[in-house]
Amino acid sequence: KAGVTQTPRYLIKTRGQQVTLSCSPISGHRSVSWYQQTPGQGLQFLFEYFSETQRNKGNFPGRFSGRQFSNSRSEMNVSTLELGDSALYLCASSYSPGTGTTDTQYFGPGTRLTVL
Amino acid sequence: GEDVEQSLFLSVREGDSSVINCTYTDSSSTYLYWYKQEPGAGLQLLTYIFSNMDMKQDQRLTVLLNKKDKHLSLRIADTQTGDSAIYFCAERRDSNYQLIWGAGTKLIIKP
Repeated sequence: KAGVTQTPRYLIKTRGQQVTLSCSPISGHRSVSWYQQTPGQGLQFLFEYFSETQRNKGNFPGRFSGRQFSNSRSEMNVSTLELGDSALYLCASSYSPGTGTTDTQYFGPGTRLTVL
Repeated sequence: GEDVEQSLFLSVREGDSSVINCTYTDSSSTYLYWYKQEPGAGLQLLTYIFSNMDMKQDQRLTVLLNKKDKHLSLRIADTQTGDSAIYFCAERRDSNYQLIWGAGTKLIIKP
């Protein structure tokens, strides 16, 4: 099985612009989670989508949004970019059959976003 | 507490055992995970343990779970330079399927 893929791998934007990142989960996985990783803040949970619905949400401003398509692929969007949004954005997918079963998350390589 | 806690750094000599500790938050969490992140890469699942187990061994890795104290540890036997990475522990809350992550422990190998 192919792993989780993220595009693009690297991105440079300027303040005020917006950006869209894409994540393709492992085939058959229905849940996609997004994380922001920075040296200072560590791994911060952004949101999780399951069957095209946002199931969980972290503490990020409304500039951060996401969606999931019927094929489980997911996108996240950041509008009005700020310098502090520079980070590695990681996507993880899982099968997510429900409570009582292991629901291991498998991570993609990440998208490195630099905001100038 | 609200956070999953880990020490930020651990330094060990090559060939020694490394023990990375984690304190999690919710005694009802059913799955606990260890992930490894090498520089510039995403997170790689190392192992997980179900909450009704005390120990799980997988080659050089041994996971110990103390549910009473909500303490999880990862032991790496015969630590090698290739083990240099950041190690994250995470618990899965069954109430909303969300993973709660520690800040990561950077493992430094001394020759």
